[in-house]
Amino acid sequence: RKEVEQDPGPFNVPEGATVAFNCTYSNSASQSFFWYRQDCRKEPKLLMSVYSSGNEDGRFTAQLNRASQYISLLIRDSKLSDSATYLCVVKGAGSYQLTFGKGTKLSVIP
Amino acid sequence: GAGVSQTPSNKVTEKGKYVELRCDPISGHTALYWYRQSLGQGPEFLIYFQGTGAADDSGLPNDRFFAVRPEGSVSTLKIQRTERGDSAVYLCASSRGGDNTEAFFGQGTRLTVV
Repeated sequence: RKEVEQDPGPFNVPEGATVAFNCTYSNSASQSFFWYRQDCRKEPKLLMSVYSSGNEDGRFTAQLNRASQYISLLIRDSKLSDSATYLCVVKGAGSYQLTFGKGTKLSVIP
Repeated sequence: GAGVSQTPSNKVTEKGKYVELRCDPISGHTALYWYRQSLGQGPEFLIYFQGTGAADDSGLPNDRFFAVRPEGSVSTLKIQRTERGDSAVYLCASSRGGDNTEAFFGQGTRLTVV
């Protein structure tokens, strides 16, 4: 089983749609969780950290379920500019190593 | 302020040659990472530096790969006897360190071994 697994995608959605990405991780000792965004042929950039209580940043909501070892990202009112690959990232306790999922590609269509 | 800078942005080399990839982290960042990303995959961890020392090199695929950070700032990833399978984008990232500090990535070096 891969350490971090994501929906394979791609997701093709119309503007204004709500889309959800799921991610599972295998190491129960993992402590820090993130969503990164990567545009085509660009470097990954932090979108948001994920906290146990869940957190929201504008149209983006991230949730963490430690019992199920599951992380989600919800994007509401999708914009064309949201088109990118979304990477689920996990870091272990006391560790520095970021472990990335394969990424899920989102295309928002006019 | 300047972000993470990687040079060259593109490198084409012949199989069997030696290459060096350079990373200039954000000033003051003590943590530095090298990752490798193949097409359609997420970044794969190679090595982590805290200061000058390689705290974790468990991701280096074999002994043809080596990285240094002699003064705790600039880092060089060195690949000997390159193989076609080494072709990928090599990403460098830096952070202030600590559990939840953000890692900032450079734009990467696209290595093509022909």
